[in-house]
Amino acid sequence: NAGVTQTPKFQVLKTGQSMTLQCAQDMNHNSMYWYRQDPGMGLRLIYYSASEGTTDKGEVPNGYNVSRLNKREFSLRLESAAPSQTSVYFCASHLGGYQPQHFGDGTRLSIL
Amino acid sequence: RKEVEQDPGPFNVPEGATVAFNCTYSNSASQSFFWYRQDCRKEPKLLMSVYSSGNEDGRFTAQLNRASQYISLLIRDSKLSDSATYLCVVIRGGGADGLTFGKGTHLIIQP
Repeated sequence: NAGVTQTPKFQVLKTGQSMTLQCAQDMNHNSMYWYRQDPGMGLRLIYYSASEGTTDKGEVPNGYNVSRLNKREFSLRLESAAPSQTSVYFCASHLGGYQPQHFGDGTRLSIL
Repeated sequence: RKEVEQDPGPFNVPEGATVAFNCTYSNSASQSFFWYRQDCRKEPKLLMSVYSSGNEDGRFTAQLNRASQYISLLIRDSKLSDSATYLCVVIRGGGADGLTFGKGTHLIIQP
């Protein structure tokens, strides 16, 4: 029972490089989310997807793009990585309504 | 006023003690409430839902006060393993954007 799976778990990039963080869920949830969490800080919402085919900006979308490839998968892309994007990135899924979210175990990203 | 607020702590509590902390929310239309636990550099994990009548799960008790717009989490007989950050989540509506996390309360259980 995998739940929410994120890849990769760790990544080091150089400034200006691009990469895509992958997220997949097997719970048939409708909504998916990308958060970042900096040391000692709360979760900040980057983008979310209420359903397949839709995406919306969250609190901190600048420097990121997302794709809701299908109901299972929601990817986050950094086109030109900057040191300020060094963070832990969490993907979450949500059945909808008043149900709780479920999180992946995170991607730890360092940008040099 | 922020939509969801928590005292960041840290709360330093001796092992075996009882500790409680609150989470206030600003939108009276909020319908659904949860507590999550987050260990250092790990993902948040659902601890328990919060029901209108209050609910208990072992040493943990969650309560909702709609009149004063806060939820609470009480931990009895605290263990060293309870050391973590506790996040509250408030859902105000059925849409994907209706969900808000608090920034968390850091709890340290001391031997």
